[in-house]
Amino acid sequence: GESVGLHLPTLSVQEGDNSIINCAYSNSASDYFIWYKQESGKGPQFIIDIRSNMDKRQGQRVTVLLNKTVKHLSLQIAATQPGDSAVYFCADFNQAGTALIFGKGTTLSVSS
Amino acid sequence: EAQVTQNPRYLITVTGKKLTVTCSQNMNHEYMSWYRQDPGLGLRQIYYSMNVEVTDKGDVPEGYKVSRKEKRNFPLILESPSPNQTSLYFCASSPQGVKNIQYFGAGTRLSVL
Repeated sequence: GESVGLHLPTLSVQEGDNSIINCAYSNSASDYFIWYKQESGKGPQFIIDIRSNMDKRQGQRVTVLLNKTVKHLSLQIAATQPGDSAVYFCADFNQAGTALIFGKGTTLSVSS
Repeated sequence: EAQVTQNPRYLITVTGKKLTVTCSQNMNHEYMSWYRQDPGLGLRQIYYSMNVEVTDKGDVPEGYKVSRKEKRNFPLILESPSPNQTSLYFCASSPQGVKNIQYFGAGTRLSVL
């Protein structure tokens, strides 16, 4: 069925390191994926998205990679900063195309 | 500033006492939706609205009502709240449909005693 999950519930890194957050999805028909960041006490905030006709998309300090063969997404954060500490969700859509389906989230902790 | 505003941010109530959580967006978005977030369950959609006067059920609609009388507002109504509705609620909007970037409110933490 539809599900979007993350491999690790927590990830701890040092300031300045590169972070990689992984996500597996099950719906092979999914054609659009979004990464959200949720800081404590706030709503999810858009980071970056990618469509299925792309393998890679870059933003400011973030890169999303999509491997459709193994149904896997990753979010790479370069030079991780303490302000990057948050819960990160990957999301795609239900088959009806009416709702975001969120993974359970990875908590990124950045120590300085 | 473009934003989605929810009120109240925190609410403690008792079983059976009707309540409304308001949501307003100032971006002229057509699509709005409500999610609840529970530990271990992620975010689950309650209701959504493709446009004014058009609403439909999400994955967990039981015990909730919504209305969309005007484009900017999408209130969530709990006619008779129960303890299992204790949760963190988020309103979201997007320009057109769900396959767009969703903009989320700051959340409403509800406790039903």
